[in-house]
Formats: sequence, structure tokens, C-alpha cells
Amino acid sequence: NAGVTQTPKFQVLKTGQSMTLQCAQDMNHNSMYWYRQDPGMGLRLIYYSASEGTTDKGEVPNGYNVSRLNKREFSLRLESAAPSQTSVYFCASSEEGQVHSPLHFGNGTRLTVT
Amino acid sequence: AQSVSQHNHHVILSEAASLELGCNYSYGGTVNLFWYVQYPGQHLQLLLKYFSGDPLVKGIKGFEAEFIKSKFSFNLRKPSVQWSDTAEYFCAVTPNQAGTALIFGKGTTLSVSS
Repeated sequence: NAGVTQTPKFQVLKTGQSMTLQCAQDMNHNSMYWYRQDPGMGLRLIYYSASEGTTDKGEVPNGYNVSRLNKREFSLRLESAAPSQTSVYFCASSEEGQVHSPLHFGNGTRLTVT
Repeated sequence: AQSVSQHNHHVILSEAASLELGCNYSYGGTVNLFWYVQYPGQHLQLLLKYFSGDPLVKGIKGFEAEFIKSKFSFNLRKPSVQWSDTAEYFCAVTPNQAGTALIFGKGTTLSVSS
């Protein structure tokens, strides 16, 4: 099993450009999440989807949008990238919400905005 | 809002030394607690988790953590660290209710010298 797959692995954008980070899981998990990881800040939740058809804001949603395309896929979009969005982005999934199920993480997308 | 505090930003130990990483959370209700580990260049992996029952939980690779409800703490311990334990460690908490998301601490970097 591939687990959680994120694409791309690396991306460089110029300020104002847009892009979509893709995430897919093959574990039939209900819940999916997007986190960003910054030095000294740990992981901060951007958006999550507790189940197919629902999305909710996390700690730092500003500047981002998400789409839960189907049960497998959960994309993160930056409409107008800013240098403050330079970060490593992790997608994760869990079986039935984080109450009881641990997260399975993808390998991350390293994004640089110049 | 719930929050997680990890007291140590960077811990440096020699091999065979004992380890204790502090974690405190703020939430008045029932919580689920996790420790995740991120080895250099890799994504996060679950180390151990606590949902209920025995407050002393054992995880992989000889790690354990103790939940002390009165102190809102969930400290990670290992009696004797190895060089391969060099990694970043994250404490995380979520309220024990559906539809909530996992909140991470800022992480503790552990460096073990051989």
C-alpha cells in the first residue's frame, strides 16, 4: 500500500502565483487533514475534512482553500501565494476522525514562495 | 481553545542517558494524547497514544509516556537513549469527541551523541 501520497514534493512559486497541492490516500480513511510545519512552530492545522463532503477550518486557514474531491483525495489550494506561506506541507489521514485513530502522514511538500 | 506546550525546544544527550520530554495541555474535558516522532528527512510517525485506562502507556522502540490528569501532563520517557533516537518529537492532543482535530505542540529536537 502507498498510504498517503502527496504531489509535488518540491515547488517554488513567485508571489501572487497560484497552485494546488494534491493528496490521496488508499487506506479507505474517512478523515483527511492538511498541516504546515515551520521551524519552532511545530505542525499547525490548516484545514481538515472529518468525512467526505465536509471541510472545516483549522488553526491557520487564511490564504488557503481545500476541496475534498472524493473519499480518497483532499487538495489544498493557494490562490495567491505569499512568502509567509513558505513551509513544508503535510497531508494526513485517519480512519474515523482523530478521536481514536492515529494520523498517517504523507512525505510532505516543500514549498518556497519568493 | 486547547493548546499543547512542550517545555524543551532542544535536548542534547549522550547515548545511554535517560530521557524525559515534557508535555502539558490545556483542556478541561476528556482528551486523547499522542506522541509522534519525525526522523531526519522523514514524515511523522506515531510513537504511542493514550485514550483511557492505565495512565502509563508503552510505545515502540522502548518509549513510554505517563498521563497525569491532575497535572494535565503527558511526558515521554526512555530509560536509555540511542543515537538512532535523534529526531524531533511532537506531543499532540485532541478532545475525546467526534469532529475535532489534533493539535500539536511545537516539538522538541533530540540530539543523541554516540
